[in-house]
Amino acid sequence: QQQVKQSPQSLIVQKGGISIINCAYENTAFDYFPWYQQFPGKGPALLIAIRPDVSEKKEGRFTISFNKSAKQFSLHIMDSQPGDSATYFCAASKERSGGYQKVTFGTGTKLQVIP
Amino acid sequence: GAVVSQHPSWVICKSGTSVKIECRSLDFQATTMFWYRQFPKQSLMLMATSNEGSKATYEQGVEKDKFLINHASLTLSTLTVTSAHPEDSSFYICSANSGGLQETQYFGPGTRLLVL
Repeated sequence: QQQVKQSPQSLIVQKGGISIINCAYENTAFDYFPWYQQFPGKGPALLIAIRPDVSEKKEGRFTISFNKSAKQFSLHIMDSQPGDSATYFCAASKERSGGYQKVTFGTGTKLQVIP
Repeated sequence: GAVVSQHPSWVICKSGTSVKIECRSLDFQATTMFWYRQFPKQSLMLMATSNEGSKATYEQGVEKDKFLINHASLTLSTLTVTSAHPEDSSFYICSANSGGLQETQYFGPGTRLLVL
């Protein structure tokens, strides 16, 4: 059962444009929603994260929009650059006993920013 | 920032041999480490959660005897793929966090395993 659904699977955006990636989750117990960026042959790196008590979080060119009632959240990359070309994963997790968090990943979106 | 390393980064082995992959937290103590498997163009699939000094918790469908995990210290966890077969070829990634209310998982660079 895919608990975090992500779309689109791939995305091509022109340099300077806005990249938008959407995710939807099912488990209302999730309380932490990170986005990861992964370059080929590398491990994922945390990009930005949000908790459900806020509807939006912005860090530089990256913004997360969160809709708790719809159980959806999205990543917006403003002024997209060729260096942003990577695979992006949304994720969700919930705090567990002992403090550690088990992360459920979306299926990934391969972003290509063309000059 | 928190750094997680993996060794080796790339390994080729013959079918039937065992391969050990190390995951180290370089500048923090990791009470919990996670092991993931990633097939080409696919998402990360959690294999097991490793707690220092205790047995690992495996996800459903992951063979405990096939993928041996040892978390002997607060900075080191190892994954041993025993009697590897070509279908075990994959990209293995570890991550670590420092426990408590720490939310962030820091990922290693991954290990590419190719079994011939």
